[in-house]
Amino acid sequence: QKEVEQNSGPLSVPEGAIASLNCTYSDRGSQSFFWYRQYSGKSPELIMFIYSNGDKEDGRFTAQLNKASQYVSLLIRDSQPSDSATYLCAVIFHSGGYQKVTFGTGTKLQVIP
Amino acid sequence: KAGVTQTPRYLIKTRGQQVTLSCSPISGHRSVSWYQQTPGQGLQFLFEYFSETQRNKGNFPGRFSGRQFSNSRSEMNVSTLELGDSALYLCASRDSVYNEQFFGPGTRLTVL
Repeated sequence: QKEVEQNSGPLSVPEGAIASLNCTYSDRGSQSFFWYRQYSGKSPELIMFIYSNGDKEDGRFTAQLNKASQYVSLLIRDSQPSDSATYLCAVIFHSGGYQKVTFGTGTKLQVIP
Repeated sequence: KAGVTQTPRYLIKTRGQQVTLSCSPISGHRSVSWYQQTPGQGLQFLFEYFSETQRNKGNFPGRFSGRQFSNSRSEMNVSTLELGDSALYLCASRDSVYNEQFFGPGTRLTVL
């Protein structure tokens, strides 16, 4: 089992719809969760981070965390063609001074005009 | 604040050569991590440096090495290049308070 799993997609949604991206992780000790957006040929760009169970909203983006079920999701409301990219989930495990960052392989999102 | 910078942006080398990549983190960030990204393997963690010390290391052969200087700038070296080392090499600096990690633009390495 991979430590951080994402459906590779592509996930196709029509313009204006809600895109739902999911990520599951295996290490229950994980404490920090990040979503990155990566356009083709570019480096990952941080979109959101979440530490606590529940929802966190930032503009059209909502991150959801459920530590009991070990999943984190990203909702994109009113999806735009410019949202078409690969979305990477990153999970950080902390233990004392030790930190481990693990990325999922990403979900490719296609927003159809 | 200026973002993470990486040099060079593009590099073409031949098998057997060695290469050194450079990364300057965001001002105030003491943690620098290096990643290799390929279409087949995704984003693979190479190593992390914090205050000039390697703190974590991924599963890469010893040909891959790095170091960090007192000003937090970091270099990554790959010796005896192989064709499979062709990839986008990304550097990321991390904020120690919120653990937010910010990536540089990357160095595209092509090994012929």
